[in-house]
Amino acid sequence: QVQLQESGPGLVKPSETLSLTCTVAGGSIRSRYWSWLRQSPGGGLEWIGYIYDSGTTNYNPSLKGRVTISLDPSRSQFSLGLTSLTAADTAVYYCARYWREGGTYCFDYWGLGTRVTVSS
Amino acid sequence: DILMTQFPSSVSASVGDRVVITCRASRDLSRWLAWYQQKPGTAPKLLIYAASTLQSGVPSRFSGSGSGTHFTLTISSLQPEDFATYYCQQGQTFPLTFGGGTKVEI
Repeated sequence: QVQLQESGPGLVKPSETLSLTCTVAGGSIRSRYWSWLRQSPGGGLEWIGYIYDSGTTNYNPSLKGRVTISLDPSRSQFSLGLTSLTAADTAVYYCARYWREGGTYCFDYWGLGTRVTVSS
Repeated sequence: DILMTQFPSSVSASVGDRVVITCRASRDLSRWLAWYQQKPGTAPKLLIYAASTLQSGVPSRFSGSGSGTHFTLTISSLQPEDFATYYCQQGQTFPLTFGGGTKVEI
């Protein structure tokens, strides 16, 4: 059973950079797609981006180049960096496995989520 | 971006009721549509993918149908543990997008 766990700060200041890490257990991080998503206080879910084993990434254009997702297979981790934070980035951040085999194109395993508040 | 519209936004139901949730897409998705269940304080859980395929371990009272721009999630006989918020998600085009959610409450 694949398990994911997010880690990182719960409070960050405006204009600073958010760094989150997701640790994957119970399965190989290789040859898979790994994603970050977030859920605003109002409940809306937003896909942030994904990374594949090869280092290929795909980001949501709505985040206007503020996002970087990286992978560390040796630690079975992948990470999110989000720059120039504003209050609008306050959300629960989830890491998830993006399942795209056999025409699935969905998220089958999720982390528990980590709440991030952007405030001075 | 593909806009996903769910309705109703909330529904009041009782144990044993049949509940139908609709999701409409602003463009043709073929069958690349997934449904999730989310309970308060927890992550979304995948219920259905490819419009109608039940994820392993999901009870058979859940079913999905549709293609193109119109999809439905049906709970045939609502159980106490089914009171939650349900989201649809399109997998046809990047960026991947979600519906606004349907809250199923007592």
